[in-house]
Amino acid sequence: DIVMTQSPDSLAVSLGERATINCKSSQSVLYSSNNKNHLAWYQQKPGQPPKVLIYWASTRESGVPDRFRGSGSGTDFTLTISSLQAEDVAVYYCHQFYSPPYTFGQGTKLEIK
Amino acid sequence: QLQLQESGPGLVKPSETLSLTCTVSSGSISSSTYYWGWIRQPPEKGLEWIGSIYYTGSTYYNPSLKSRVTISADTSKNQFSLKLTSVTAADTAVYYCARQGYYCGSGGCEQPYYFDYWGQGTLVTVSS
Repeated sequence: DIVMTQSPDSLAVSLGERATINCKSSQSVLYSSNNKNHLAWYQQKPGQPPKVLIYWASTRESGVPDRFRGSGSGTDFTLTISSLQAEDVAVYYCHQFYSPPYTFGQGTKLEIK
Repeated sequence: QLQLQESGPGLVKPSETLSLTCTVSSGSISSSTYYWGWIRQPPEKGLEWIGSIYYTGSTYYNPSLKSRVTISADTSKNQFSLKLTSVTAADTAVYYCARQGYYCGSGGCEQPYYFDYWGQGTLVTVSS
């Protein structure tokens, strides 16, 4: 199984400041046939299902604000929120869809400082 | 707008079988470009993929649950279902159904993609 490890487990950032969440996979999720990283980021607010923010490691889902940015390749990935807004308080998960069993990171809880 | 809705008992006794159905509306599970999956989330914990199904009946299961899981699809009702046998308290979770993109080209088929649409989830508690 591909193990996804996120850091930190929790993060407190001031409004308007940058938030950075890291995700490391135990093996590369770069698919050679399409040269894409099979890595997605989700946001989950209390009582709601996860919502996809980023896929292919860096492609923003339609409707997602451009303050959300995904980067990285191979085994190391980052989700950056450039200017934290109050509505960004949530748990964030990375997810590999490179090979089954599809796995998720343990989650990073983002709060306002 | 595609919608997915989970349904089924909210309480299951230990050793019995958990059965859930996901009804898809404003979209067809018979589409060649999607897989349909189940994911669960124990209270206050992270996400675990259970398994996914294609409309033809082709399935992928998480090996950690494979011996107890069956996912099936009923294209006439536009539904897919989950059965999990011999449940214990460890199976208490919110169960989500979701859609995964899928692509087959001249070079072959890729793995199903990320989960782009999710149901609201249903809490299943295992308790006597």
